[in-house]
Amino acid sequence: GIQVEQSPPDLILQEGANSTLRCNFSDSVNNLQWFHQNPWGQLINLFYIPSGTKQNGRLSATTVATERYSLLYISSSQTTDSGVYFCAVGRPAAGNKLTFGGGTRVLVKP
Amino acid sequence: ETGVTQTPRHLVMGMTNKKSLKCEQHLGHNAMYWYKQSAKKPLELMFVYSLEERVENNSVPSRFSPECPNSSHLFLHLHTLQPEDSALYLCASSQIGGAAYEQYFGPGTRLTVT
Repeated sequence: GIQVEQSPPDLILQEGANSTLRCNFSDSVNNLQWFHQNPWGQLINLFYIPSGTKQNGRLSATTVATERYSLLYISSSQTTDSGVYFCAVGRPAAGNKLTFGGGTRVLVKP
Repeated sequence: ETGVTQTPRHLVMGMTNKKSLKCEQHLGHNAMYWYKQSAKKPLELMFVYSLEERVENNSVPSRFSPECPNSSHLFLHLHTLQPEDSALYLCASSQIGGAAYEQYFGPGTRLTVT
């Protein structure tokens, strides 16, 4: 099956700092989503981005499908950005199943 | 209610109990999913239902039994579970068809098997 690797596994930031999270995947995809998991376990949709670039407030994401990676940018980080960020991908002809990466655990310190 | 809801949010059960997890989606989607998140393991897909028909069973033990009575409701029936089945169980929904569609997740049920 497809492999999804996220880096770094852990990230500690000072409030106000910028950061980049990376997601590499091993095969062609037609679905790529970024999620933020809050301390209570809820997965919050950040981006649906199988290709291209999107921005939402202080967050933006870029997927380069031909090179099989996606990046999530967090600018001017806030303590509420703490949590685990997951990348998940879906392959063509595999229904709409998502394969998740291992996540990046982010801690933003005040 | 909006989005995807799950009940109960927390569940503690013994190994001989029978319990059910419930998921309801209010998004008009035609596919629903069960995922499992164990400590220190990636989220893994358990079951997929498309138009109320099970289209995926990801080698899940028979002590987990899904049921999808209609496109808005999904259940996971649990019986004779093991302590290693303790995990966060997440339900999701999406449209399904020729293209890929965004999945939306519920808040999860945190299950502890004693």
